[in-house]
Amino acid sequence: AQSVAQPEDQVNVAEGNPLTVKCTYSVSGNPYLFWYVQYPNRGLQFLLKYITGDNLVKGSYGFEAEFNKSQTSFHLKKPSALVSDSALYFCAVKAWGNTGKLIFGQGTTLQVKP
Amino acid sequence: GAVVSQHPSRVICKSGTSVKIECRSLDFQATTMFWYRQFPKQSLMLMATSNEGSKATYEQGVEKDKFLINHASLTLSTLTVTSAHPEDSSFYICSATPDGYEQYFGPGTRLTVT
Repeated sequence: AQSVAQPEDQVNVAEGNPLTVKCTYSVSGNPYLFWYVQYPNRGLQFLLKYITGDNLVKGSYGFEAEFNKSQTSFHLKKPSALVSDSALYFCAVKAWGNTGKLIFGQGTTLQVKP
Repeated sequence: GAVVSQHPSRVICKSGTSVKIECRSLDFQATTMFWYRQFPKQSLMLMATSNEGSKATYEQGVEKDKFLINHASLTLSTLTVTSAHPEDSSFYICSATPDGYEQYFGPGTRLTVT
């Protein structure tokens, strides 16, 4: 069965420090992976995706993610966190088949403190 | 970028009444649209997958007669919560995909049933 796990409910970092939000996945076949961010009472905003190609994917707002096939991970990273990055982050994998469904992780709250 | 709108953003209704939520893809044609429900600080729960001109596919445990979905065109899907009860109060989010890979999310609708 396909699944996505975000092992941390919350990540706390100080402004200016690097941040990592972890994601591991379990899929059959090649994974199509996504990161989304959600601000309070808002929909999800797309950050980045991995379909194929370079393992390091660069996305919106200075975020990047590294696809690691051997560790089945797709951790989200940013070199220098901003207070405005504080939000709820979701990792997702495209479900097998052509339905277009996404399977979401449980979400990680990122708290960046000044 | 691709934009998805939802209307209304907030709605309060009385128990027993029905509420319709619209989801529109503004600058692309959506082969498929999805409806999610989200509880506070939790992940998105997929309710149903909607394809233009055909019946929606509901996830296990979602009542078809209660959550009516109509995908009238390639840019419009509607979710009607029939005979709403307080337990239906939630944040409802739609998404749309032009290609079956990347999903673009609406801003969400906060439904409160009194």
